[in-house]
Amino acid sequence: KAGVTQTPRYLIKTRGQQVTLSCSPISGHRSVSWYQQTPGQGLQFLFEYFSETQRNKGNFPGRFSGRQFSNSRSEMNVSTLELGDSALYLCASSPGDRSYNEQFFGPGTRLTVL
Amino acid sequence: DQQVKQNSPSLSVQEGRISILNCDYTNSMFDYFLWYKKYPAEGPTFLISISSIKDKNEDGRFTVFLNKSAKHLSLHIVPSQPGDSAVYFCAATPRGTASKLTFGTGTRLQVTL
Repeated sequence: KAGVTQTPRYLIKTRGQQVTLSCSPISGHRSVSWYQQTPGQGLQFLFEYFSETQRNKGNFPGRFSGRQFSNSRSEMNVSTLELGDSALYLCASSPGDRSYNEQFFGPGTRLTVL
Repeated sequence: DQQVKQNSPSLSVQEGRISILNCDYTNSMFDYFLWYKKYPAEGPTFLISISSIKDKNEDGRFTVFLNKSAKHLSLHIVPSQPGDSAVYFCAATPRGTASKLTFGTGTRLQVTL
């Protein structure tokens, strides 16, 4: 099976712009979660989508949003970018069964905000 | 509030010896624990997990131990190999929220020849 894929791998934006990141989960996986990794805060949970609905949410401002399509692919959007949004954004997929905890991560999108 | 803590930012171990990575948690609602390994410029790779109903789980060279009363878990790698050099993260999740992983800050393991 192909793994989790994320596009683009690298992105440079300026403050105030918005950005959309894409994630394709492992075939058959219905849950997609997004995480932000920064040197200061480590790996932090953003949100999870399951069957096109947001099922869980972390403690991030409303500028961070996402959606999931009927084929389970997911996009994450960040509006009005700030310097502090520079990070590695990771997507993870799992079958979605609440009793199944192992998530499989993609390679990430490195976002740099100038 | 760091609910999952890895107090050792780095660890150096000789090839062939045992590597022991430690993790402490504070949230008593956590009932499932995972270890991930991460290389630079890659996403974390799942290694091994343990449910709170167990105190030990083995998979090849990797063993995870859970001490619920101490809210402590550890990952043992025996024998350590140079390819094990990476950053190791422990993560935890509460019952019924399988996808919402809370990660520790990571421990960088270096396995030397």
